[in-house]
Amino acid sequence: ETGVTQSPTHLIKTRGQQVTLRCSSQSGHNTVSWYQQALGQGPQFIFQYYREEENGRGNFPPRFSGLQFPNYSSELNVNALELDDSALYLCASSSGYRGRNTEAFFGQGTRLTVV
Amino acid sequence: AQSVTQLDSQVPVFEEAPVELRCNYSSSVSVYLFWYVQYPNQGLQLLLKYLSGSTLVKGINGFEAEFNKSQTSFHLRKPSVHISDTAEYFCAVSVRMKTSYDKVIFGPGTSLSVIP
Repeated sequence: ETGVTQSPTHLIKTRGQQVTLRCSSQSGHNTVSWYQQALGQGPQFIFQYYREEENGRGNFPPRFSGLQFPNYSSELNVNALELDDSALYLCASSSGYRGRNTEAFFGQGTRLTVV
Repeated sequence: AQSVTQLDSQVPVFEEAPVELRCNYSSSVSVYLFWYVQYPNQGLQLLLKYLSGSTLVKGINGFEAEFNKSQTSFHLRKPSVHISDTAEYFCAVSVRMKTSYDKVIFGPGTSLSVIP
């Protein structure tokens, strides 16, 4: 058991709405990364937070935003939802200086469906 | 730009037979290499990783992988598969970016089906 928990596990939203996904990192981990996994594909890197600051971002538009809190838990916010945002969203936590990914632990994911 | 290729999208194999899942990557800088497994409706679980040192890496559940720098490959092998190995397998590389964070790039995945 990795200790990374995500909520909710499933979510259905309407196009144009906003959504917030949550992640509780494994104890002692100061870095969290978010990934989008579309059906039948590998995870795609969205962004990474280290000690409450975004320190890396993939090719995702600004309507994808995040937060990391002092207890290192994290949120992923998506505004103006589009049908193509339907995917499994994965959170991964790791420890080390500025998130050196020698090992990342993944949560079970949140399945988002946009209709 | 860095990328990861998994040459086989689907691999069927009979129970107790050996299996190899292939992974090639491209990167102009040194990388860390990983294999993850994903069971249906679950997150990713780390099977094994290569950071440095010995090129043969052993992981959980009897899996191993060999890093070949000249061929930029990191193939995953298991000498005898079980029904419970049926899952999606992802190869990934971690690349140090100029802004001092590690970006993890995943391959498209290989679906391993173990046939009784």
